[in-house]
Amino acid sequence: EVHLVESGGGLIQPGGSLRLSCAASGFSFSSYSLNWVRQAPGRGLEWISYISSNSKTRYYADSVKGRFTISRDNARDSVYLQMNSLRADDTAVYYCARSESQLEIDYWGQGTLVTVSS
Amino acid sequence: QSVLTQPPSASGAPGQRVTISCSGSSSNIGSNTVNWYQQFPGTAPKLLIYRNNQRPSGVPDRFSGSKSGTSASLAISGLQSEDEADYYCAPWDDSLNGWVFGGGTKLTVL
Repeated sequence: EVHLVESGGGLIQPGGSLRLSCAASGFSFSSYSLNWVRQAPGRGLEWISYISSNSKTRYYADSVKGRFTISRDNARDSVYLQMNSLRADDTAVYYCARSESQLEIDYWGQGTLVTVSS
Repeated sequence: QSVLTQPPSASGAPGQRVTISCSGSSSNIGSNTVNWYQQFPGTAPKLLIYRNNQRPSGVPDRFSGSKSGTSASLAISGLQSEDEADYYCAPWDDSLNGWVFGGGTKLTVL
């Protein structure tokens, strides 16, 4: 069974940094692309970053470009999101999500809450 | 404001059929397959329909999807109270190089 478990969320002051992790199990991790998708309180889903199976391709939403960095470690079956220069509007639940390349996101983690506030 | 347009709400009585629309453009729906997600409050989204009209294992055949041009739709027949949730459409966007999500439709079962 596919499992994605996020960690690393919490309360952080504006301008601060945070690193989210996502541990995967139940599938051949190195064969799939991974994504981070967030959901602000009471709002809809917003995709923010994509990394291909071999890390050669990485994409970012304009809202986080230059501030967030996605990476993965196929030896550890894990994907990461380094978030710098955090702002209040980055407050959201952050989901790690597996995708079959650019066809569909098929599995989601349970999410980790990031709150940016002073 | 999303690049995909969904109605913010939809409703129907038990047993009825409801359709949720998703309107996009040539760079997303027009050139890529559409996926639909179901989300209950406080939980992660779940894949409901993939590649326009395919159902993952375990999704009832009451749920169906279709796509035409730059629009897609999700149909739910035989509406049940447990279908009350938020629904999102999501294709890949070739111009943005990323997934785009509709704004979401809150379905109420009357």
